[in-house]
Amino acid sequence: QSVLTQPPSVSGAPGQRVTISCTGSSSNIGAGYDVHWYQQLPGTAPKLLIYGNRNRPSGVPDRFSGSKSGTSASLAISGLQAEDEADYYCQSYDSNLSGFYVFGTGTKVTVL
Amino acid sequence: QVQLQESGPGLVKPSQTLSLTCTVSGGSISSGSYYWSWIRQPAGKGLEWIGHIYNSGSTNYNPSLKSRVTISVDTSKNQFSLKLSSVTAADTAVYYCARDRGGGDLIWFDPWGQGTLVTVSS
Repeated sequence: QSVLTQPPSVSGAPGQRVTISCTGSSSNIGAGYDVHWYQQLPGTAPKLLIYGNRNRPSGVPDRFSGSKSGTSASLAISGLQAEDEADYYCQSYDSNLSGFYVFGTGTKVTVL
Repeated sequence: QVQLQESGPGLVKPSQTLSLTCTVSGGSISSGSYYWSWIRQPAGKGLEWIGHIYNSGSTNYNPSLKSRVTISVDTSKNQFSLKLSSVTAADTAVYYCARDRGGGDLIWFDPWGQGTLVTVSS
């Protein structure tokens, strides 16, 4: 069972802005550990989308942005496009005996 | 750029040991201060970090799997490997290898291999 909770699904029309939350606790996000985000297109491996809470690797469109506050983090996708339909996972470090590096439960983004 | 490729049997019998290898290309597994990880994903479910290894052989494992996991490295072949013992159907998953970036508690994973499906069944 994951220690980082995400909504199972979010949806939006093309061009809209959607946000995905990642809720943790005092042993992970709330302890100040960074949050990272991955995009998993159907049938493919996860791909790094955001690292260090808000940094985008080279090649990731600036439509994707990350933030963190307290025990939660968020991923925002602005100007939603059809190719953004995928599963998204957050990831952080947990200082309890929960597995060192922990992932969120995952969110399916559907473009209407 | 660095690429990773998993290989190994796609079918393992219950109670046996799952063995996978990750071959790194486009760079040396010994260069840089990187750990190398194994991560798995059961069908339709989320991701679970299994453990990682440094080129020196230093390892860390997920406490929930620690008693059954061994990760090793062969720098001469630019490979690292996973062994998971006493497998059950619950170990059926796509297994990914990945390179750790950052360090310590600031680690993220990039890049990832394409993944390999391992099914535990008699």
